[in-house]
Amino acid sequence: EVQLVASGGGLVQPGGSLRLSCAASAFSLSDFEMSWVRQTPGKGLEWLSYITSSGSTIHYADSVQGRFTITRDNSKSSLYLQMNSLRVEDTGVYYCATLGHWGQFYFDSWGQGSLVIVSS
Amino acid sequence: AFRMTQSPSSLSAFTGDRVTLTCRASQGISNFLAWYQQKPGKAPKLLIYAASTLQSGVPSRFSATGSGTDFTLIISSLQSEDFATYYCQQYYSHPFNFGQGTKLEIK
Repeated sequence: EVQLVASGGGLVQPGGSLRLSCAASAFSLSDFEMSWVRQTPGKGLEWLSYITSSGSTIHYADSVQGRFTITRDNSKSSLYLQMNSLRVEDTGVYYCATLGHWGQFYFDSWGQGSLVIVSS
Repeated sequence: AFRMTQSPSSLSAFTGDRVTLTCRASQGISNFLAWYQQKPGKAPKLLIYAASTLQSGVPSRFSATGSGTDFTLIISSLQSEDFATYYCQQYYSHPFNFGQGTKLEIK
C-alpha cells in the first residue's frame, strides 16, 4: 500500500519561507510522478506543482510560480516543496500526491497533509 | 481556465437512499474527470477516474457517468461511512482545478 507522510508545516510570518517534505514508505517514490495540492479556506482544493519521476519536467500553478520550488530526491524516496515569499492566502493544508495511471493528472494516493499558517 | 461547478453545494439524505451529485465543466473536458471523497481532517480519497472508472477498492455502490461538460456521481444505497464531502476535478487542461465540493450530510 502506498503511504506518504508529509512534514515541515508550521507558523510563519508573511514574506517568510518553509520547506515541506513528503516521505514515501512501503514503495519507491522514484516510480511515481508527483504533485503538491493544497486546501485553503479561500480557494478550496488547488493543484500547485508537478514533477516527473526523474525530476526532468516541472510545472507550477500561476499562483505559486516564482515563489515555490518542487524537488525530489529519489535516493531518499522524498519529495519537497520550498515555499518562499509566503502570503496570508497561502495558509492551508498541503498534500503530496501521486499522479494517476500513465502520469495523468488525477491524484491517486495522498499524504496526510501538512498545515501551513502564514500570519503575523 | 476551466471552471468546475458542483451541485448541490450540500445535500441531506437518509442511509439507504440513492443520491446523485453533479459536476459541470465550463468547457468540454472529454472524460478527463475524477471524483474524490473527503472526510473531516483527512486527505481526499480517489473514487473515480476517467469519468466512470472505479478506483480499485472502492465499493460498487459508487458509479459515475458523463463526458464533455456534464458529469454525475451516483451512490446507489448510502452507507453511514459515505457521509462526507465530494469533489470533482478536471485533468483535461492545466491548471487541473477542482470543484467547490458537495457536502453530503445525514438527514
